[in-house]
Amino acid sequence: DAKTTQPNSMESNEEEPVHLPCNHSTISGTDYIHWYRQLPSQGPEYVIHGLTSNVNNRMASLAIAEDRKSSTLILHRATLRDAAVYYCILDSGNTPLVFGKGTRLSVIA
Amino acid sequence: DTGVSQNPRHKITKRGQNVTFRCDPISEHNRLYWYRQTLGQGPEFLTYFQNEAQLEKSRLLSDRFSAERPKGSFSTLEIQRTEQGDSAMYLCASSLRQYPGQEKLFFGSGTQLSVL
Repeated sequence: DAKTTQPNSMESNEEEPVHLPCNHSTISGTDYIHWYRQLPSQGPEYVIHGLTSNVNNRMASLAIAEDRKSSTLILHRATLRDAAVYYCILDSGNTPLVFGKGTRLSVIA
Repeated sequence: DTGVSQNPRHKITKRGQNVTFRCDPISEHNRLYWYRQTLGQGPEFLTYFQNEAQLEKSRLLSDRFSAERPKGSFSTLEIQRTEQGDSAMYLCASSLRQYPGQEKLFFGSGTQLSVL
């Protein structure tokens, strides 16, 4: 399985944008990039996914590098409720999703 | 649509006992996954079903673990002769498989197992 690399933790001030990076240098041409987040005491929840083009939804934006070897999840205005572990995952469509340790985001009021 | 439901939320058992967890997926979803998560780690894949067929089992799933999904609806995960190392959060997720690579998993809140 292609793997991803994320920082262990990040910190942000409330109401400021947050850029969560993910490296996936061994990504294959058909792998989709998925992001999930896990709030305390809950199961993970889907955030966004993309293949080549940048994607926006009500929760976040996904910026994908032109060579697809990295991507960035963008939270436009962090709130205290965004404090969670964020997982960047590659989906080949052939195997179940493999979660790493993710990035623990702390939001400071 | 009430989302993915897991029962019980918490289970405390003694080493050597058998335990069974239940997962009720979102009704129209054809895939159901079981994951396990320990403190500080991401969820680890255990097994998954497409409708009633169990398509894949992780090497993590020892012979003491068995999962079923009768009639392609709810699923149960049973652990026989529990060991302290089985203590973890057991997560269930469901999805509607349509396009490869674009499957969105919907997770339940998990069952926290503590083996004493």
